[in-house]
Amino acid sequence: KAGVTQTPRYLIKTRGQQVTLSCSPISGHRSVSWYQQTPGQGLQFLFEYFSETQRNKGNFPGRFSGRQFSNSRSEMNVSTLELGDSALYLCASSLPPGQRVNTGELFFGEGSRLTVL
Amino acid sequence: AQTVTQSQPEMSVQEAETVTLSCTYDTSENNYYLFWYKQPPSRQMILVIRQEAYKQQNATENRFSVNFQKAAKSFSLKISDSQLGDTAMYFCAFMKHANNDMRFGAGTRLTVKP
Repeated sequence: KAGVTQTPRYLIKTRGQQVTLSCSPISGHRSVSWYQQTPGQGLQFLFEYFSETQRNKGNFPGRFSGRQFSNSRSEMNVSTLELGDSALYLCASSLPPGQRVNTGELFFGEGSRLTVL
Repeated sequence: AQTVTQSQPEMSVQEAETVTLSCTYDTSENNYYLFWYKQPPSRQMILVIRQEAYKQQNATENRFSVNFQKAAKSFSLKISDSQLGDTAMYFCAFMKHANNDMRFGAGTRLTVKP
């Protein structure tokens, strides 16, 4: 069974640009969550999508957005990039809460390393 | 709001010895999960062990076990017979039932020395 796949793995952007990151969840997983990981702030929750709807959102500005497609693949977008957006962006998939076999576990991808210059 | 605190930024242990990583959390919820995730230098986070709050019995997975003290809101991880491959960042995490918003501690960097 293929794991969570994130693309691209590495990318470099300049301030003011925008970026789109992609995440393909494990087959059968319909919930996708995004996290930002930085040395200073650690792992911070961005948002979660289920059935193409954003269900939870962390405390990030509106420049951070996401969406989910009917095949459960998800993208996140960051507009007007700032230096502080440099981070590892992690995607995780899981069974939706309430599904009987859901153990609560999130399955993570290897991340997309974004550098903003 | 739920918070997770890991008070040990770095730890080291000799190969084959035992080490305990600490974690405390704060929540008013009664139904939740607790997790320990491992992030090796290659970056992918993998689950080490999980605990459901309603279960009094501490979870164990081979060399990994937890000491779950619900009243004290404490959730420590014990690694027995440490191996070089255990070298990684370890994150303690909390998640409410019926919610996929997982909250992480700051992490503990564990180094296993030969």
